[in-house]
Formats: sequence, structure tokens, C-alpha cells
Amino acid sequence: DAGITQSPRYKITETGRQVTLMCHQTWSHSYMFWYRQDLGHGLRLIYYSAAADITDKGEVPDGYVVSRSKTENFPLTLESATRSQTSVYFCASSESRRGVDYGYTFGSGTRLTVV
Amino acid sequence: RKEVEQDPGPFNVPEGATVAFNCTYSNSASQSFFWYRQDCRKEPKLLMSVYSSGNEDGRFTAQLNRASQYISLLIRDSKLSDSATYLCVVNSGNEKLTFGTGTRLTIIP
Repeated sequence: DAGITQSPRYKITETGRQVTLMCHQTWSHSYMFWYRQDLGHGLRLIYYSAAADITDKGEVPDGYVVSRSKTENFPLTLESATRSQTSVYFCASSESRRGVDYGYTFGSGTRLTVV
Repeated sequence: RKEVEQDPGPFNVPEGATVAFNCTYSNSASQSFFWYRQDCRKEPKLLMSVYSSGNEDGRFTAQLNRASQYISLLIRDSKLSDSATYLCVVNSGNEKLTFGTGTRLTIIP
């Protein structure tokens, strides 16, 4: 089915482990985004990408790495997970720069717990 | 000052009532404005865009006041299914959207 999918839906990992969250969209949207959502902070932008091989930092990039070798995939890697990275992670996409005027479409989210 | 500010609520409103939320933004150069809805443990979903002239979609009306830098959402004849968190979202002139922390609405039977 077309859309934006995230995997896994739930993940528990240990402090210090590397973990990768996957995001895949089938619309060939140019822009993709990673947000984290925590109580009291709302949605905060981690990284975003304007196109394949173009990525840029958002508001809270420390401890995260992204790549975008293909337009449809935008994985987020926590290099060495910490408890403060326990959160709900949302991936989103939009069609183009003009697509910002039309908002984003979000994936269903990944609930990550770091123990 | 936060770029986008909302009253977190909660707003507890009887079914059938009218409820309104406001949201203020700090960047006067902001260009695009949206309301998103987020149900518990789900992803945010676009509810409506907010245009300078104001816009209406069924029971929902969104307005923009650029002079005072706020946007509003009015829900008429509220339904139980309107219970959710409503996120105010602003594009401040770049390709990224900034989200408010949300206003929680509960419709009471």
C-alpha cells in the first residue's frame, strides 16, 4: 500500500547500543523529516532531508545520525543509545518545498525505550 | 519565548458545545499555518490549513490574525469523536514546520 511506514513500531534497547529506526515512503516525496515527541516538549525536529544525499540538522540532532541514499528511505540511527532518547519517534514526508504549504504526512511512529 | 505557544488545557467541554483554541507565534515572517489533530498514541494528522482570509471545513473554522500573530480554531457542535490533542503548526519561512505542544480537548457526553 502507498504511504509512509515506520519500523519497528516498538523497540526496547539497552544503554550504549546502536539502534536504527526505519522510515519508508512510496510517494517519492522530496522532503523527509524525523521528529521526537516527549511530554512537555511536543514534536521536536531531529533531522530532515530535502532530497537523496541531502540532509540537515534540526533542533535536537545530537546523538543521532541519518542517511538518505534513496529518495524513499530515511533511516535514523542512534549511535549509542541513552535513556534520554526514550521517546516516540515520528517520520514525516512532504512533496516538495511547496509541499510545506500543504503540511506533512506522518508515519505511525516508533516507541523506543532505552533501559 | 517559544516559537509557537498553545494553552495545554485540558479543555473539558460538553457534547454539542462550541469550543475555541488560540495559538500564538513569535516569528512575524511566518508564512504557513496549520492545525493538526493527534489522537492518543497515534501520529499527528492534518486537520486544516489556515489561510489569511479564514477558512471553514464543516464544523471547524480556522482564522489567522497576522497583526496579533495568532491563529485560532473553532469547533461547533462538538462530538465525542472530537476528543483529541490539537496541534498548532507554523512554517516560519524555511522548509521546516514548528509544532506547538498541543491543546488537549475532551468532549463529555
